[in-house]
Amino acid sequence: KNEVEQSPQNLTAQEGEFITINCSYSVGISALHWLQQHPGGGIVSLFMLSSGKKKHGRLIATINIQEKHSSLHITASHPRDSAVYICAGTTSGGGADGLTFGKGTHLIIQP
Amino acid sequence: DADVTQTPRNRITKTGKRIMLECSQTKGHDRMYWYRQDPGLGLRLIYYSFDVKDINKGEISDGYSVSRQAQAKFSLSLESAIPNQTALYFCATQQGSGGYTFGSGTRLTVV
Repeated sequence: KNEVEQSPQNLTAQEGEFITINCSYSVGISALHWLQQHPGGGIVSLFMLSSGKKKHGRLIATINIQEKHSSLHITASHPRDSAVYICAGTTSGGGADGLTFGKGTHLIIQP
Repeated sequence: DADVTQTPRNRITKTGKRIMLECSQTKGHDRMYWYRQDPGLGLRLIYYSFDVKDINKGEISDGYSVSRQAQAKFSLSLESAIPNQTALYFCATQQGSGGYTFGSGTRLTVV
């Protein structure tokens, strides 16, 4: 069974801090997605990674295929970054049968 | 207009009632998915569809049915709603093996 584990479950930090959220996944998962869910409930796709590193603004996502581990980093964190961050895996074959989700990391950035 | 639109946004219904949640997309994506989100459990796959003639059960399809009326429309039905179907429901689309686009979610309460 494909599995995705995230840590930490909850993270509170001060504005400006460097944030790291970790995700480990099982054999059979070929790509990792990082998603953001704001308190209003909507889900936004941030990154999709199968190798290396991607950057968008203050967000950086990395993946280590050998260790089956991915990280999401937020530089110069801001209260508007407060959200639930979810990693999710797709299986080999393009994830035709959908995503396997981690349980999410609830991030609070305090001013 | 949003790329993936879900209606209704919120719904309260009584046990035993039939209810339909609707999803429409303007992305032109072939693949469409229905997920439910429960606190502490993360998101889980209910049904998915690759095209109008292709419907597949996901991890938790019991008690649900779907209809892919057109490439752009994918509806989820609860034939006889029960309280443990109270959850946040998300529709998502995917083109090929690329990233996902999520709808804003439907908050369903069964009383």
